[in-house]
Amino acid sequence: KNQVEQSPQSLIILEGKNCTLQCNYTVSPFSNLRWYKQDTGRGPVSLTIMTFSENTKSNGRYTATLDADTKQSSLHITASQLSDSASYICVSYSGAGSYQLTFGKGTKLSVIP
Amino acid sequence: NAGVTQTPKFQVLKTGQSMTLQCAQDMNHEYMSWYRQDPGMGLRLIHYSVGAGITDQGEVPNGYNVSRSTTEDFPLRLLSAAPSQTSVYFCASRRGDRGQAFFGQGTRLTVV
Repeated sequence: KNQVEQSPQSLIILEGKNCTLQCNYTVSPFSNLRWYKQDTGRGPVSLTIMTFSENTKSNGRYTATLDADTKQSSLHITASQLSDSASYICVSYSGAGSYQLTFGKGTKLSVIP
Repeated sequence: NAGVTQTPKFQVLKTGQSMTLQCAQDMNHEYMSWYRQDPGMGLRLIHYSVGAGITDQGEVPNGYNVSRSTTEDFPLRLLSAAPSQTSVYFCASRRGDRGQAFFGQGTRLTVV
């Protein structure tokens, strides 16, 4: 069964600090992996996509990494801001022709002043 | 370009009542889906559609019906609401099986 595990479950950091969120996936066949940000009371919004051949990709203060050998991805947030407070969801896509997305349960990040 | 629009945003139902959650997208996406999100459970797939006239069951389909008569609309029907259906419901659409999923704002449903 395809699975995506995220850690930590929740995280509290001070404004301006950095943090790293982890995602382990067991999805076969693997197509790509996306990180989504979900603000309270809103739907998830895609932050970045990682394909099999990519190791690192940045989107502003967000940097995602992917290690296809260990089936791990991370999302690093630099110089956190209060607006980064949200849940971050790791989503794995299966191979071509497969509709199913596999969602992690998310990491709830709280950035405090 | 509105993206994915869900209505209503909030709803309270009594056990046994029926209702339809509306979802519309204006991006001409083939794939549309309905998810429910419960605390500690993550997003779970209820039903999905890969095009007009084509629907299929997801992980938790019991108690829900869908239809897809047009590319734009994908309503979710609760036939006889139960307290276990209290949840936040999200509609999503995407282009193809690898496309970015665009989510609606969600419908918070409470069944009493």
